[in-house]
Amino acid sequence: DTGVSQDPRHKITKRGQNVTFRCDPISEHNRLYWYRQTLGQGPEFLTYFQNEAQLEKSRLLSDRFSAERPKGSFSTLEIQRTEQGDSAMYLCASSPHVGELFFGEGSRLTVL
Amino acid sequence: DQQVKQNSPSLSVQEGRISILNCDYTNSMFDYFLWYKKYPAEGPTFLISISSIKDKNEDGRFTVFLNKSAKHLSLHIVPSQPGDSAVYFCAARINAGNNRKLIWGLGTSLAVNP
Repeated sequence: DTGVSQDPRHKITKRGQNVTFRCDPISEHNRLYWYRQTLGQGPEFLTYFQNEAQLEKSRLLSDRFSAERPKGSFSTLEIQRTEQGDSAMYLCASSPHVGELFFGEGSRLTVL
Repeated sequence: DQQVKQNSPSLSVQEGRISILNCDYTNSMFDYFLWYKKYPAEGPTFLISISSIKDKNEDGRFTVFLNKSAKHLSLHIVPSQPGDSAVYFCAARINAGNNRKLIWGLGTSLAVNP
């Protein structure tokens, strides 16, 4: 399978714990995006990488959120000291050029 | 401030008929528009796109129309099939320097009834 893959698909955690999500993009895509989606909303942009460079970060991303793409391939999104408001679907997408994004199936976070 | 608006949260259509999903936008800097389909518990799947220099793009049963003067685009699905039942998102691209991202509408849930 050469699509975008995300891991884990579902994470349940207690408030205050740290969680990390991983995204493996389509291999020839140099752009990688993280979005967050809650029920009834469209995807909200979080951050964007071109190769290993993080070019943009949304104001939605508080200091508790950090994303990395150390070698320009896979990316991780870490949330520290999780809060109940962090519960959402975290979507990763990759793109060979800006515009057409290919999404993974998402990582659903539930913070108790 | 919702720059991309999908004013119909839901739409119900009979199988075989046409589904028309609408999207309005406010930012004239958008240069590319996309439609995505999303099934529950899955990530959005790209469906069709259109550049701002065109007014129509067709791909099989799916056609997207763009009216730049009205800042309006629509997705037509003909004929509609039960498997088309999903949430459809309209997204618009800003491409200015390093500001490359999509702005999304809230989605329209389409139900195609057999």
